[in-house]
Amino acid sequence: DGGITQSPKYLFRKEGQNVTLSCEQNLNHDAMYWYRQDPGQGLRLIYYSQIVNDFQKGDIAEGYSVSREKKESFPLTVTSAQKNPTAFYLCASKRGNIQYFGAGTRLSVL
Amino acid sequence: GQQVMQIPQYQHVQEGEDFTTYCNSSTTLSNIQWYKQRPGGHPVFLIQLVKSGEVKKQKRLTFQFGEAKKNSSLHITATQTTDVGTYFCAEEYGGSQGNLIFGKGTKLSVKP
Repeated sequence: DGGITQSPKYLFRKEGQNVTLSCEQNLNHDAMYWYRQDPGQGLRLIYYSQIVNDFQKGDIAEGYSVSREKKESFPLTVTSAQKNPTAFYLCASKRGNIQYFGAGTRLSVL
Repeated sequence: GQQVMQIPQYQHVQEGEDFTTYCNSSTTLSNIQWYKQRPGGHPVFLIQLVKSGEVKKQKRLTFQFGEAKKNSSLHITATQTTDVGTYFCAEEYGGSQGNLIFGKGTKLSVKP
């Protein structure tokens, strides 16, 4: 059963805490992406990776960090420097120029 | 910076009525994609348009790409409650990197 798996589905962050969102894909796609979605808004690009061991900042990278040590995995860390982290986070991978999304993680602040 | 404008932001229709959402860009697009996000769900790819003036149909959905490749539309004929969700257009930028920039979406609600 191929696809993109994001976990957890819901996540709560305490003040000053770093949290990591998981994204795993078994589609053998090279490119992976992280987006943030706020209510009534489109998707905004946080980070992307075209290949293992390489990643680039998107439009709203401040307060976030990523790693791409394996082709299958692209975790996103929301650091304490991100002052407004409450949002729906979507991970995607790409085949050709079509993007395939995971089910998302909803992050809230306690 | 490059952006794609999508209107309307919201649309409420009676079941059986038609629905249209529009995307406009200030630049000529290489292609445009459409995605649907159901309430509480994630975006799912619907279609890609590449050619000037292209029209593609998927059952009750009709997608058009403008002659100048600066605008696109999605039209749903005789909406059903299963059409509920937010429809996004997305344009590709960044050359070979092929990143997408998404419109803000049109949220469709259908009253049975």
